[in-house]
Amino acid sequence: SQKIEQNSEALNIQEGKTATLTCNYTNYSPAYLQWYRQDPGRGPVFLLLIRENEKEKRKERLKVTFDTTLKQSLFHITASQPADSATYLCALVLNGNKLVFGAGTILRVKS
Amino acid sequence: DADVTQTPRNRITKTGKRIMLECSQTKGHDRMYWYRQDPGLGLRLIYYSFDVKDINKGEISDGYSVSRQAQAKFSLSLESAIPNQTALYFCATSAPTSGIGEQFFGPGTRLTVL
Repeated sequence: SQKIEQNSEALNIQEGKTATLTCNYTNYSPAYLQWYRQDPGRGPVFLLLIRENEKEKRKERLKVTFDTTLKQSLFHITASQPADSATYLCALVLNGNKLVFGAGTILRVKS
Repeated sequence: DADVTQTPRNRITKTGKRIMLECSQTKGHDRMYWYRQDPGLGLRLIYYSFDVKDINKGEISDGYSVSRQAQAKFSLSLESAIPNQTALYFCATSAPTSGIGEQFFGPGTRLTVL
């Protein structure tokens, strides 16, 4: 069966450390993978996209990797801040730009 | 003003009632989507529309219907609401020419079916 798995438990880290979130998938062949941020009571907001032929993508303190052999994407936030606390969703981009989302990982950054 | 708006933001209804959730966008995007979000399950696609004359079922369309009244408006109806349709509902839009397929989400409608 097709599955997308993200860390089911919340990730608690100290301010200034690097947060690493995992997205694993099975029985999908996405062309792209996206990451979104969702704050409580709000809709998801797009952060980054990485294509299947890209190993790594960076945007400010964010870094995403994509390993199509392992069927895994890693999402890193360096020098994390309390304002980074949110739920982070990975989404596979399938044919016709349809998205399939993971359940998300809650990140809590403590000062 | 928000680019993607949803009304109502909160709704409590009873089993068997018909309700409509509305979505409007000012982004000029052709593509619109309806998702529901349940704890631990993530966002699941209910219906999507790539233009005014195009309607497609998503992963979980049973019990729902949609109407694309204009490029900017996409409504979701629950014909006869049941308690397991209690969830957070999101509308989203995207532009086919963006090249990256990012979706822009509304603020959500929290629906409770008693």
